[in-house]
Amino acid sequence: GQNIDQPTEMTATEGAIVQINCTYQTSGFNGLFWYQQHAGEAPTFLSYNVLDGLEEKGRFSSFLSRSKGYSYLLLKELQMKDSASYLCAVIWNQGGKLIFGQGTELSVKP
Amino acid sequence: DTEVTQTPKHLVMGMTNKKSLKCEQHMGHRAMYWYKQKAKKPPELMFVYSYEKLSINESVPSRFSPECPNSSLLNLHLHALQPEDSALYLCASSRGQGINNEQFFGPGTRLTVL
Repeated sequence: GQNIDQPTEMTATEGAIVQINCTYQTSGFNGLFWYQQHAGEAPTFLSYNVLDGLEEKGRFSSFLSRSKGYSYLLLKELQMKDSASYLCAVIWNQGGKLIFGQGTELSVKP
Repeated sequence: DTEVTQTPKHLVMGMTNKKSLKCEQHMGHRAMYWYKQKAKKPPELMFVYSYEKLSINESVPSRFSPECPNSSLLNLHLHALQPEDSALYLCASSRGQGINNEQFFGPGTRLTVL
């Protein structure tokens, strides 16, 4: 199947760094997205990786290893407003179907 | 204009009612999507339209009927729904269907079926 695995919950402290991992089935992989979703709101786009390596965008970075079927989202200088669900989503075989992982609920504490 | 709008924000309907959800974007995107999201779960794809033609139907029951009147609008017609259909319905759009096309999501319609 197109299994996408990410931790269900994580807790971190304001000002710290947190890494949210995502693993997926590699067969037919064509790109990986990270979205942030606050409770009761729509998902908002954070990053897109299709090639191996690190993509940096301000406090957020995303890494991809295609051969390992692995990605992570790195959040630096955590703020309280970063408390949200972080969704790893994969596109397979150019079909345009975006399949989401279960999401990681991040709680940032003072 | 870089947003996807959805109406209504909230909808309560009975199992015999007919209602419609509306979605609009003016970013010139040619792919539009309907997702269903239950509480504490990720969005699940329902339908994809590409260039106003239905491209993907994820085996959605016929009580949900999508319509794409033009490239900016996407509707979801609802009829004879069940209480388990209560969920957040998200619309999204992207430049095109497929890889390297980030999807922009609307705020959703929170649907309650009584």
